[in-house]
Amino acid sequence: GQQVQQSPSSLVLQEGENAELQCNFSSTATQLQWFYQSPGGSLVSLLSNPSGTKHTGRLTSTTVTKERRSSLHISSSQTTDSGTYLCALTGNTRKLIFGLGTTLQVQP
Amino acid sequence: AQTIHQWPVAEIKAVGSPLSLGCTIKGKSSPNLYWYWQATGGTLQQLFYSITVGQVESVVQLNLSASRPKDDQFILSTEKLLLSHSGFYLCAWSSRTGGARAEQFFGPGTRLTVL
Repeated sequence: GQQVQQSPSSLVLQEGENAELQCNFSSTATQLQWFYQSPGGSLVSLLSNPSGTKHTGRLTSTTVTKERRSSLHISSSQTTDSGTYLCALTGNTRKLIFGLGTTLQVQP
Repeated sequence: AQTIHQWPVAEIKAVGSPLSLGCTIKGKSSPNLYWYWQATGGTLQQLFYSITVGQVESVVQLNLSASRPKDDQFILSTEKLLLSHSGFYLCAWSSRTGGARAEQFFGPGTRLTVL
């Protein structure tokens, strides 16, 4: 079945630095979403990007479908960006498969 | 705008006791509905999905059941809780159109602790 690998597992940055998060998957993705998971557990949808490049605010996602990978770039990181970033995708079904996430810590 | 509400926010229950978690979506007609579960430190897993009232498909067997009594309501339940049921439960919805391409949107979640 579909597998989702995220890297790095954790990342520590100084405020203002950029972050690059990676998501690799084993089968074709029909839909790919990036989420932010707060320390309390709630999920915030950041971007839906099954192919190509999308921007929203300080976030840029690039998905290369043929290479089965997606990245999430966070520019000018802020302390409030700290948390876990999850990549999730569907194949032929409506079942979202999640990665384990990248835990980001932004220090002041 | 669509809103998704889950209840309760958190629950502490004894092993062997019953459980009922609820989810309501407002502002969206005939959505697809989903239940996901995350054990502490684990990945989110889809448990159930429903495309219409009265129809629920099980994705993972965890000795839980789900029902969709109304178009905007999704219920997760069990008659006997296990320690392994502890974790974070999230309800999600997507538009019926789009199939696997449709984005999924998540509720605030319910944290369950089984003692």
